[in-house]
Amino acid sequence: GESVGLHLPTLSVQEGDNSIINCAYSNSASDYFIWYKQESGKGPQFIIDIRSNMDKRQGQRVTVLLNKTVKHLSLQIAATQPGDSAVYFCAEKRDFGNEKLTFGTGTRLTIIP
Amino acid sequence: DTEVTQTPKHLVMGMTNKKSLKCEQHMGHRAMYWYKQKAKKPPELMFVYSYEKLSINESVPSRFSPECPNSSLLNLHLHALQPEDSALYLCASSRTMNTEAFFGQGTRLTVV
Repeated sequence: GESVGLHLPTLSVQEGDNSIINCAYSNSASDYFIWYKQESGKGPQFIIDIRSNMDKRQGQRVTVLLNKTVKHLSLQIAATQPGDSAVYFCAEKRDFGNEKLTFGTGTRLTIIP
Repeated sequence: DTEVTQTPKHLVMGMTNKKSLKCEQHMGHRAMYWYKQKAKKPPELMFVYSYEKLSINESVPSRFSPECPNSSLLNLHLHALQPEDSALYLCASSRTMNTEAFFGQGTRLTVV
């Protein structure tokens, strides 16, 4: 069945260091992936997305890598700041038709000052 | 404007009450969503509207009734809820069902 999972439920990173959050997915038909950031008491905030015809996509301080061979997705955050502390979710769907977006279990990232 | 606005922010209701959650966006998005999120869990899809028509119902109990009056508004009507329905209810919208969804801040619902 479809599932999106994260390798680590929690991650602590020193301020200024880079962080990497990993995500595994099991549905090889998935071809659209999104990373969301959710701060306490708020709704998920879109960070970056990637489609399966790409291996890498960069945004401001964030990079998403997609490895379709091993069905693995990662979010790299450069030069982490205290405001990066949040729960990060990967989400996936098949990029056609009326397919639903499925969220992974989430990783709590804590930035240590 | 990338804002999805949800009202109210907090709601406490009894099990015999009828209440409604409201969601509004003015981004011209044609897909709108209701998600339910329990503490320390990911959001779970409840309903999807695409072009004001119900596209996906994730086998949600009938005590939850969605409504899409127009392309900017999405309601969730609540009736005879149970305490286990207490959760954060999130609304989201996207340009189409195949583009990124933007979420509102949610309504924290407590059923007593």
